[in-house]
Amino acid sequence: AQTVTQSQPEMSVQEAETVTLSCTYDTSESNYYLFWYKQPPSRQMILVIRQEAYKQQNATENRFSVNFQKAAKSFSLKISDSQLGDTAMYFCAFMSQQGGSQGNLIFGKGTKLSVKP
Amino acid sequence: DSGVTQTPKHLITATGQRVTLRCSPRSGDLSVYWYQQSLDQGLQFLIQYYNGEERAKGNILERFSAQQFPDLHSELNLSSLELGDSALYFCASSVRARPPPNYGYTFGSGTRLTVV
Repeated sequence: AQTVTQSQPEMSVQEAETVTLSCTYDTSESNYYLFWYKQPPSRQMILVIRQEAYKQQNATENRFSVNFQKAAKSFSLKISDSQLGDTAMYFCAFMSQQGGSQGNLIFGKGTKLSVKP
Repeated sequence: DSGVTQTPKHLITATGQRVTLRCSPRSGDLSVYWYQQSLDQGLQFLIQYYNGEERAKGNILERFSAQQFPDLHSELNLSSLELGDSALYFCASSVRARPPPNYGYTFGSGTRLTVV
């Protein structure tokens, strides 16, 4: 079974600085998708960025980028120029592309990020 | 507004009771997923429906059941409630089920269930 591990329960960063959130996962599959979701105090789950395992190029979305290391099974999220609105729980998630669990998300425990003024 | 509507937003009930959580998917989406977010277990997949049919089951208790109706809305029924069932229950929707929605899917804002 696949697992997703986020080893940093809490992190903080000063406004305008850069922060990196870590995520590792375990799978025997070669084709899968990885996601970062943001959950602000409003509780809404918001998709931040996605990565296809078969693509070597790291995904980027404005201030958000990932460092995808397939061999190491690592998928970290870098937030540049941190803003107060980035304060939230961040969840790393794995989506299988095969078998009975395809299409379902397996989440890590989350990292609580606080951006300080 | 994500387009996925969940009602009610909050629900407080007593142990042993039964509740129904409702989810209306985003317009055009045929697949509905239910997730539970608790302090102990984190975010866990419960069950998936596609166009009225059950497609996949996750860590869903036997006391819990779900269905998707012809108008595509879905209901999650929780019975014989225990204190440990207190959690945030999310519904999400996507256009398709197969191939997997690898673009991610859209979550509702959740129903906060408190069992006292």
